[in-house]
Amino acid sequence: KNQVEQSPQSLIILEGKNCTLQCNYTVSPFSNLRWYKQDTGRGPVSLTIMTFSENTKSNGRYTATLDADTKQSSLHITASQLSDSASYICVVSDFNNDMRFGAGTRLTVKP
Amino acid sequence: DTAVSQTPKYLVTQMGNDKSIKCEQNLGHDTMYWYKQDSKKFLKIMFSYNNKELIINETVPNRFSPKSPDKAHLNLHINSLELGDSAVYFCASSHTRGVETQYFGPGTRLLVL
Repeated sequence: KNQVEQSPQSLIILEGKNCTLQCNYTVSPFSNLRWYKQDTGRGPVSLTIMTFSENTKSNGRYTATLDADTKQSSLHITASQLSDSASYICVVSDFNNDMRFGAGTRLTVKP
Repeated sequence: DTAVSQTPKYLVTQMGNDKSIKCEQNLGHDTMYWYKQDSKKFLKIMFSYNNKELIINETVPNRFSPKSPDKAHLNLHINSLELGDSAVYFCASSHTRGVETQYFGPGTRLLVL
């Protein structure tokens, strides 16, 4: 079983709507959690990085939350745009900097 | 200017061949990485390299070897290519090995026939 589970696997929303992607992890001892956006055919782009002491971080219309007690994170996208269509990947690292990747959520924003 | 660049973008080769993928970063970063993304889009780290210290993911076959001629370059050499090596390989860099933003290259699509 993967130590980082993302849900849903895929999501389709209408332009302008909000959505929330989930990431649950069992990685321990926890160091940091990252969210990446990966457009089709391109490399991942970092959206946020959060450490144990941070419970929310924003990057424009993207807001990530972290609950280190329940080992859950979410990525909220506000007022979605067509360019938000991409895969969103959650990555959790332990104190040894070993990174565990989620399988990603494939988001499609339709006009 | 491209921050992290990789060449070639596409690589098609026969099983058993030896090939190299080049990576260069112009960000002045100390740490570079190689990742493999399989057909199911699962990303997996292969190597990280910092100040001549190489950290290898234990699952990576020893047919794969990174070579760093200088701080700005981390090339990936693959010997005796196998069908299962077909994937997209991403190079990335960060300021240090710690909790830093990693910047990814555009990827090299390798197909082994």
